[in-house]
Amino acid sequence: QSVLTQPPSVSAAPGQKVTLSCSGSTSTIGENYVSWYHQLPGAAPKLLIYDNEKRPSGINSRFSGSKSGTSATLAITGLQTGDEGDYYCGTWDSSLRAVVFGGGTRLTVL
Amino acid sequence: QITLKESGLTLVRPTQTLTLTCTCSGFSLTTTPVAVGWVRQPPGKALEWLGLIYWNDEKNYGPSLSNRLTLTRDTSKNQVVLVMTNMDPVDTGTYYCVKARGNFNGDAFDKWGQGTLVTVSS
Repeated sequence: QSVLTQPPSVSAAPGQKVTLSCSGSTSTIGENYVSWYHQLPGAAPKLLIYDNEKRPSGINSRFSGSKSGTSATLAITGLQTGDEGDYYCGTWDSSLRAVVFGGGTRLTVL
Repeated sequence: QITLKESGLTLVRPTQTLTLTCTCSGFSLTTTPVAVGWVRQPPGKALEWLGLIYWNDEKNYGPSLSNRLTLTRDTSKNQVVLVMTNMDPVDTGTYYCVKARGNFNGDAFDKWGQGTLVTVSS
């Protein structure tokens, strides 16, 4: 069971907007930065968002991150079939003194 | 261009020791601030952080594996080595070498290796 909670699956139509949630606690999301990763089948994860809301160079502005209290959200607008795959949130757990990840959300673009 | 490449024996018998090497290029392990480490993923399951070694040679290990895991580095070869003892079939999975931005604990992993599938079986 993961320290961070993510819904197992989400689906939406091409062109639509989807939001993926990541729920934690005071010692995780509540007092640390959140990052988001996208993993295509058979590939390594790729960083999408760091420091809650910043995008690395080359990441499309369709991806945006936010944080409020002990939860974080990844929003994807203008959905494309290439956005399908698994999305993971990650952060530091100040109590465990460890990096922790969510269980992942599988996004299907119908 | 920053790349990370994992190498090592990928079939391990139960109770044996796993040794994996991550060869880094495009940056130096001693650059401030940089951290390199490992994340693993059992088949069909979520990511699990294993540990990190920082630019100043400090190490951080995941609590569940800290008694079995050792990270070292060879700065002359720009490599990070993972040694995990007493392997068990539940340790089967893809092991990724990762580079963290390293500014603080839990900083994002901005580069990932392609991963190597480790199988623990007799």
